Amino acid sequence: GDSVTQMEGPVTLSEEAFLTINCTYTATGYPSLFWYVQYPGEGLQLLLKATKADDKGSNKGFEATYRKETTSFHLEKGSVQVSDSAVYFCALKSPDYKLSFGAGTTVTVRA
Amino acid sequence: DTAVSQTPKYLVTQMGNDKSIKCEQNLGHDTMYWYKQDSKKFLKIMFSYNNKELIINETVPNRFSPKSPDKAHLNLHINSLELGDSAVYFCASSQDPREKGYTFGSGTRLTVV
Repeated sequence: GDSVTQMEGPVTLSEEAFLTINCTYTATGYPSLFWYVQYPGEGLQLLLKATKADDKGSNKGFEATYRKETTSFHLEKGSVQVSDSAVYFCALKSPDYKLSFGAGTTVTVRA
Repeated sequence: DTAVSQTPKYLVTQMGNDKSIKCEQNLGHDTMYWYKQDSKKFLKIMFSYNNKELIINETVPNRFSPKSPDKAHLNLHINSLELGDSAVYFCASSQDPREKGYTFGSGTRLTVV
């Protein structure tokens, strides 16, 4: 079945550092890909999405590009802030409406 | 104003009890979901309803029973609670999920003692 594998954490960074979280997927067909963020004590929020190959999703300084050739959707941010500390989930939507999540990557940004 | 609201936010109960978690969305979405998040933050889908019809039913003990009285509500009833049921349960809804993804509730933290 469709699945997502993302980089294990936790990841600890200093403010203004560059962040990359790797995500690769396995799917039949052409799934939509998402990154969700979960701040401490809160539910998940959609961070960005891409629905077809070569699409770039972006939001709040984060970017991810849908790479069909490498089946990847890596999340990047050039300069992180303390407020970016959260758990980040890569997700894939299957044709049956099901959203499959990666294991989540906990990111902690130190001042 | 809350798009997807779950109640209660916290639930502490003893083993063997029966409990329900309620979910309501005011977004007009056709599809609703229940996800379970374990202590390691891993998220797993449990159920999905589309216009009150069950469309996804993952491998979940039959002690868990979803009920959707209308497309704006999806409740989760759990019988004979066990310690392993302790988790955060998230409700979500979607309309055209390929384009817009899901909108999640803030979660219900269930602790079984």
